[in-house]
Amino acid sequence: DAKTTQPPSMDCAEGRAANLPCNHSTISGNEYVYWYRQIHSQGPQYIIHGLKNNETNEMASLIITEDRKSSTLILPHATLRDTAVYYCIVEGAQKLVFGQGTRLTINP
Amino acid sequence: GAGVSQSPRYKVAKRGQDVALRCDPISGHVSLFWYQQALGQGPEFLTYFQNEAQLDKSGLPSDRFFAERPEGSVSTLKIQRTQQEDSAVYLCASSFRARLTNNEQFFGPGTRLTVL
Repeated sequence: DAKTTQPPSMDCAEGRAANLPCNHSTISGNEYVYWYRQIHSQGPQYIIHGLKNNETNEMASLIITEDRKSSTLILPHATLRDTAVYYCIVEGAQKLVFGQGTRLTINP
Repeated sequence: GAGVSQSPRYKVAKRGQDVALRCDPISGHVSLFWYQQALGQGPEFLTYFQNEAQLDKSGLPSDRFFAERPEGSVSTLKIQRTQQEDSAVYLCASSFRARLTNNEQFFGPGTRLTVL
């Protein structure tokens, strides 16, 4: 079973920041938080991952709370092409376990 | 550079037929994964290879499913005597490192299998 809880859907206006929450209250100390997204009819795409510290790359920022029980993926300037299902995954030394994800719709 | 490729992209099989799905990982990637994605669901792990060794096949749903990676690069997922419940998208992913943690996976476009 997935170790994460995400809202099933979210909407965001084009050009605004999209903030996607994820709860992972049972995360253990050596488990990373990963974010992937899946655009319709494509394979999942890696976005970002982190262990304790906040992370930023060219796609997004990942904010992990100090107790590591939740995190937020931030897409700073959402575009229509960011419409996708976003998966938050907690992974230790095992394979990726995908849940249902959040269906993010970017509106013009 | 080329990403992960899979072939065929679409496959229609009659119930009872055998099918073979191919995955070409990114060159030099040590780890290779297969996932199954039913309609409207997230991907589910099937099996994992480190080079040619199949280290985890706990997700294979039945003994009709078989995967191999004989030379540590290209992998084939074979499904024998296909059933309608096998209809799904089969995704392949590869990653550069051998260890499973702190290691992003790169996915192919998937093969959509429809069993009639």
